[in-house]
Amino acid sequence: QSVLTQPPSASGTPGQRVTISCSGSSSNIGSNTVNWYQQLPGTAPKLLIYSNDQRPSGVPDRFSGSKSGTSASLAISGLQSEDEADYYCAAWDDSLTGRVFGGGTKLTVL
Amino acid sequence: EVQLVESGGGLVQPGGSLRLSCAASGFTFSDHYMDWVRQAPGKGLEWVGRSRNKANSYTTEYAASVKGRFTISRDDSKNSLYLQMNSLKTEDTAVYYCARSIAPRTRGIGYWGQGTLVTVSS
Repeated sequence: QSVLTQPPSASGTPGQRVTISCSGSSSNIGSNTVNWYQQLPGTAPKLLIYSNDQRPSGVPDRFSGSKSGTSASLAISGLQSEDEADYYCAAWDDSLTGRVFGGGTKLTVL
Repeated sequence: EVQLVESGGGLVQPGGSLRLSCAASGFTFSDHYMDWVRQAPGKGLEWVGRSRNKANSYTTEYAASVKGRFTISRDDSKNSLYLQMNSLKTEDTAVYYCARSIAPRTRGIGYWGQGTLVTVSS
């Protein structure tokens, strides 16, 4: 059972907009920033969004993040086949004094 | 270009020990927090622990699942991070990733190595 809760799966057709949620608590998302990672099959994770809504250079603006209270969301617009991957949210947890991850969401492009 | 290259993985028996290394390049190593994260086969990401940077006295923090068994250290003169793993259990089987903070003052994970596989089995 992960500290941050994500839906195990999500799907969409090319061109659609999909959102992935990440639910936490006051000790993690409620008091710290959220980062999102994309993991393509057989590869290491890659930073997609940091500090809730910031995109590293090179990440397409189709990817956006937001945070409200103890929840965060990742939105992907103009869905493409290469977006098929596992997506993870992460935050620091002040109570656990450690970094916590969501269980991951497997995105399927139909 | 930031590069993180892990090594030292392999097969070890339950109760055994293993030391992983991470060679870093392309940035000022001492400026950054460094983490270890693992991923069991077919599972999600699990944080193992981290080493703070030089400005924060290289202090370390660990996940409850590995505290007392795993030790993180670093050698800034060699731009290297280490993970000493003792009393290994079958549930420690995973790909272990070395990771760097986004920026010296932005402590989330920004860069990942390619990972090294540790298999704990008799």
